[in-house]
Amino acid sequence: GQQLNQSPQSMFIQEGEDVSMNCTSSSIFNTWLWYKQDPGEGPVLLIALYKAGELTSNGRLTAQFGITRKDSFLNISASIPSDVGIYFCAGQLINSGYALNFGKGTSLLVTP
Amino acid sequence: NAGVTQTPKFRVLKTGQSMTLLCAQDMNHEYMYWYRQDPGMGLRLIHYSVGEGTTAKGEVPDGYNVSRLKKQNFLLGLESAAPSQTSVYFCASNSDAVQYFGPGTRLTVT
Repeated sequence: GQQLNQSPQSMFIQEGEDVSMNCTSSSIFNTWLWYKQDPGEGPVLLIALYKAGELTSNGRLTAQFGITRKDSFLNISASIPSDVGIYFCAGQLINSGYALNFGKGTSLLVTP
Repeated sequence: NAGVTQTPKFRVLKTGQSMTLLCAQDMNHEYMYWYRQDPGMGLRLIHYSVGEGTTAKGEVPDGYNVSRLKKQNFLLGLESAAPSQTSVYFCASNSDAVQYFGPGTRLTVT
């Protein structure tokens, strides 16, 4: 699989702060997706990005598909305690059955 | 819709034992996948299927077999379990490039 570099590995922030995480790859992807995983659960989709340069929001979340198609970032504004979890980026190639290549995740802790 | 369901939720095996993990989806999706997740790692693709009767290898297929006899089911088999296969296994199905994940099966091989 393609190697995705996700950073930071972990973040410890106070409620109300903004958060930014990013993902880079040595390969081009057709689609970038961001997932959140809570303990003991499967990943849940947050945002899907389909075009280079695309900027998409979902509530307090904003994500962008890099122009080079090799990177993406996710921002969370005004964090709240329920934002706690592990966030994964994933790149997708159409010619591999839409299978996902995942980053190693960013663990987010939010203190009240 | 139940979405993607996985059976069992937990299992402990002894080295050399075999077992089958079942994944079912009720969304009529063509594509289905099996991933494994190890501590501190993202999910890695084991096998996938682009339709009933088809399967293909992913990034880490060794030691696993799969079958897709019915569109709604995707089975993952371990013929002779090894401690290295201790992991959390996730099934997913795909619609319009978006994958929906099951709740996972936590497998421990002693």
